Amino acid sequence: EAGVTQFPSHSVIEKGQTVTLRCDPISGHDNLYWYRRVMGKEIKFLLHFVKESKQDESGMPNNRFLAERTGGTYSTLKVQPAELEDSGVYFCASSPLPSGRRGSSYNEQFFGPGTRLTVL
Amino acid sequence: GQQVMQIPQYQHVQEGEDFTTYCNSSTTLSNIQWYKQRPGGHPVFLIQLVKSGEVKKQKRLTFQFGEAKKNSSLHITATQTTDVGTYFCAGFGRTSYDKVIFGPGTSLSVIP
Repeated sequence: EAGVTQFPSHSVIEKGQTVTLRCDPISGHDNLYWYRRVMGKEIKFLLHFVKESKQDESGMPNNRFLAERTGGTYSTLKVQPAELEDSGVYFCASSPLPSGRRGSSYNEQFFGPGTRLTVL
Repeated sequence: GQQVMQIPQYQHVQEGEDFTTYCNSSTTLSNIQWYKQRPGGHPVFLIQLVKSGEVKKQKRLTFQFGEAKKNSSLHITATQTTDVGTYFCAGFGRTSYDKVIFGPGTSLSVIP
């Protein structure tokens, strides 16, 4: 079974440019998460899709970030225009079952290899 | 808002020594997961704890979930160089639908 894939693995852009990150979750996984890790800091939640719907986007830093998951398969995360503080590693993760039932177990999240974004 | 803290931030041990990292949430959690990220890699799931006071073991790793479901620990017995990496706890809140908060991680270095 193929794991979560992300593209590109690295991206170096200048401030003000646009970048689009792509995540292909494991086939059949309804949950898809985006995270960002800035150098040496915590893995910060950005947003969560259940199928094609945004379940929780409270972690999105501002309106320069736009995430989509058309058709409930792969997802894209666009940063426009990019700022210096957007640099970091963007991870995507997926999990197989719709979650959110209080008191129930959540499934493990399978992380992709990440996209390292550098904004100059 | 909900916060998840981990201590220590860094830990250097001699190979063979034990290691413990502690995870503390500002709010009661529904469950907690632990992940390990090797240098240059991505987080890999280790375990999930759901029940109050739960203890789980994986070979040399022992995971505990506090009685109040606000804290957790990961203990490694007799560390090996393969244990090097950053260990993250991830807490799922009881009041936020599916919201997950990762701790800042504990970076473990093992000196051979």
